Amino acid sequence: ETGVTQTPRHLVMGMTNKKSLKCEQHLGHNAMYWYKQSAKKPLELMFVYNFKEQTENNSVPSRFSPECPNSSHLFLHLHTLQPEDSALYLCASSQGGWLATYNEQFFGPGTRLTVL
Amino acid sequence: EDKVVQSPLSLVVHEGDTVTLNCSYEVTNFRSLLWYKQEKKAPTFLFMLTSSGIEKKSGRLSSILDKKELFSILNITATQTGDSAVYLCAVEANYGGATNKLIFGTGTLLAVQP
Repeated sequence: ETGVTQTPRHLVMGMTNKKSLKCEQHLGHNAMYWYKQSAKKPLELMFVYNFKEQTENNSVPSRFSPECPNSSHLFLHLHTLQPEDSALYLCASSQGGWLATYNEQFFGPGTRLTVL
Repeated sequence: EDKVVQSPLSLVVHEGDTVTLNCSYEVTNFRSLLWYKQEKKAPTFLFMLTSSGIEKKSGRLSSILDKKELFSILNITATQTGDSAVYLCAVEANYGGATNKLIFGTGTLLAVQP
């Protein structure tokens, strides 16, 4: 596998379910990101991890819980979601690190989430 | 509040036309401006611009940044149907932490008709 991979690619869940999204990067990067992309809205940054430490939480509801066990893996745990949480969830990675200036982000293919 | 505004929101052209996509921004702690192409799922990187007035070029695509007027343009010449996509502009900003943040515009939907 190369680049950034995400699983599953599609997920349908009920409001009472618990599920997890997985992201893995094979680029040797130190920073990983979760984004939400809803129809007709800009990409919204949700969480940022740098060297496994969470450095950004963009006022995301607690029903979304991220986990970064190491620099290559990022999870997004979902529970008691609402229908308005239906969206494309994109993971990205970048070089990260201290004083990183040119932080081009590489995106995974995304997980299309539908909450019924 | 930091923001990135793209125009037009959508555009329909015919093959062979030249298009110009616009991106203006109001961002503190500016680091760079990036253009992405999003066809189906994952955005793919096109250009990163950090200096004013220096054109970046890749085939039929080119882009330039004006840091004084706070905008960038993306030009596509001799458009092809394969250029049909959403073009995203993002500004990279640093807020004092170790990791920079990307602020995205809503994108411009380009449709190239045969």
